[in-house]
Amino acid sequence: DTAVSQTPKYLVTQMGNDKSIKCEQNLGHDTMYWYKQDSKKFLKIMFSYNNKELIINETVPNRFSPKSPDKAHLNLHINSLELGDSAVYFCASSQESGYGYTFGSGTRLTVV
Amino acid sequence: RKEVEQDPGPFNVPEGATVAFNCTYSNSASQSFFWYRQDCRKEPKLLMSVYSSGNEDGRFTAQLNRASQYISLLIRDSKLSDSATYLCVVRANYGGSQGNLIFGKGTKLSVKP
Repeated sequence: DTAVSQTPKYLVTQMGNDKSIKCEQNLGHDTMYWYKQDSKKFLKIMFSYNNKELIINETVPNRFSPKSPDKAHLNLHINSLELGDSAVYFCASSQESGYGYTFGSGTRLTVV
Repeated sequence: RKEVEQDPGPFNVPEGATVAFNCTYSNSASQSFFWYRQDCRKEPKLLMSVYSSGNEDGRFTAQLNRASQYISLLIRDSKLSDSATYLCVVRANYGGSQGNLIFGKGTKLSVKP
């Protein structure tokens, strides 16, 4: 009974394509996040979202857009994929205060 | 200056060794600090929170020095299973970033037989 689940686990796609990664949490948390871990293993926040507010890291290109159909889901849509988008993308959730952080198992995106 | 900086490693130690990791953070208003562990090709997992008074969990001891904005993790009697990357983490508490975790680049530990 996975707490934070992401799909797909692996995604290989060509440059220029549009793709989505899905995330679901069953913890009842108020806030969800997307993090990117690049080839140098540096984990960096991309978005945080709760039912009140979407916070976007200013360094994230606008080709990336989070979509939240409800409190338990935060999907990541990427337009016009580039080689530099290759990375592992982690979804996470927490209580509104930031406590109880739980990560999904990651989606390894490879753009060829 | 990066928000969270760590020893880059890698640290290669024999089983049974004691190893210490250090970390500094730039925002003096930060309130919450953690050490996470990340195994190869896995997600980060919370190892322990770090409290001002210092705290211990078995072979692991974490310390915080607010004046120096410095966090440390000590692992005693290293086991092969301790091999992983250790991430120093600070929780943002300013403006729109409230609640976000800010990660250091991590220090890789390899424990050898």
